[in-house]
Amino acid sequence: KNEVEQSPQNLTAQEGEFITINCSYSVGISALHWLQQHPGGGIVSLFMLSSGKKKHGRLIATINIQEKHSSLHITASHPRDSAVYICAVRRIQGAQKLVFGQGTRLTINP
Amino acid sequence: GAGVSQTPSNKVTEKGKYVELRCDPISGHTALYWYRQSLGQGPEFLIYFQGTGAADDSGLPNDRFFAVRPEGSVSTLKIQRTERGDSAVYLCASSLTARQGHTGELFFGEGSRLTVL
Repeated sequence: KNEVEQSPQNLTAQEGEFITINCSYSVGISALHWLQQHPGGGIVSLFMLSSGKKKHGRLIATINIQEKHSSLHITASHPRDSAVYICAVRRIQGAQKLVFGQGTRLTINP
Repeated sequence: GAGVSQTPSNKVTEKGKYVELRCDPISGHTALYWYRQSLGQGPEFLIYFQGTGAADDSGLPNDRFFAVRPEGSVSTLKIQRTERGDSAVYLCASSLTARQGHTGELFFGEGSRLTVL
């Protein structure tokens, strides 16, 4: 079983919909990252969380340390949000190494 | 430069050849990471440098893979006797050092796409 599991693997929605991507992990962590990867493009860091909630524009990320779960939400989704969203955790043990989820491919149709 | 720079952006080689991939991190970032991403997969950890030394090389798949960072800035990932299964995008990232109670945000390069024919 992977240490980091994301769901769904693929998500297609219409422009304007509220989007939720989930990430569950099975190890103790010091931080969790949400990353965005456009097709053929590099990876951009969206959020780095160790507790609570962060918001940036239409993006919101939450984490529940006790439940070992994080969610990434996108409000008023737009076709330009179409990308792969990746959850990655920084383990407490071996803290310099990020463990990545498989990613969620999001497609927003106009 | 302003961001993490990786060269070449694309490399096509033949099975059995030697390949070097270069990463130029953000100036002042002491931590440097190499990851490998196969099609449809999340990135897979290869090696982490803290300064000049490889602090964790547990992700290198076998002894054909080697990485150096001799002066604590630019790093080179070296692959000997390439195999078709080595085809992937090789990603480099850098950060300020994550210390106890402190996490370092990662900045990724655009990746080097390696194709082994």
